[in-house]
Amino acid sequence: RKEVEQDPGPFNVPEGATVAFNCTYSNSASQSFFWYRQDCRKEPKLLMSVYSSGNEDGRFTAQLNRASQYISLLIRDSKLSDSATYLCVVPRSSGGYQKVTFGIGTKLQVIP
Amino acid sequence: GAVVSQHPSWVICKSGTSVKIECRSLDFQATTMFWYRQFPKQSLMLMATSNEGSKATYEQGVEKDKFLINHASLTLSTLTVTSAHPEDSSFYICSAPEGRSDTQYFGPGTRLTVL
Repeated sequence: RKEVEQDPGPFNVPEGATVAFNCTYSNSASQSFFWYRQDCRKEPKLLMSVYSSGNEDGRFTAQLNRASQYISLLIRDSKLSDSATYLCVVPRSSGGYQKVTFGIGTKLQVIP
Repeated sequence: GAVVSQHPSWVICKSGTSVKIECRSLDFQATTMFWYRQFPKQSLMLMATSNEGSKATYEQGVEKDKFLINHASLTLSTLTVTSAHPEDSSFYICSAPEGRSDTQYFGPGTRLTVL
């Protein structure tokens, strides 16, 4: 299994829809996980961190399933402005606690 | 959140020249900074870890003599792409963790085009 694996998409959804992405990871010892959002030709920006079972922030919910080693990101009531690539980030298996591995990202396109 | 700046935002250079990219943490000190590279439609790939006061550590496959890293102070790391070639054209992004957190704060990136 790759360190971090994501479906690259694209996910094309209508405005107002609910969409969910999954991300699987290989390091069972990982304690923290992150979802970043990256707009085209821009740097990644932190969206949510997940340290235990999950986290919720407005329309966004991140959940962690340790048994199956995946995290998910749920976006409710999608807005046009949610169109971006969502990167799953997991601390590395080795090399220091601050090193992380990025997934390839899942592209979301919200359609009017 | 913490702020990281990068300079320049974009650069176009001729093949064979060297390009220096600066990464600064503006409102916090960073003993460690990370340099990433992102090719189109690919994920961010860690190139090296910049350590203040000591040598950088490079990821496997990254040439340390080609990508020179200097962490001159607690707020500044520089990446110099030496003798740049067209295949070095990419989006270079730095990041710094604040404190002992795993959360990475990214600079806005530098888009390098080598002609």
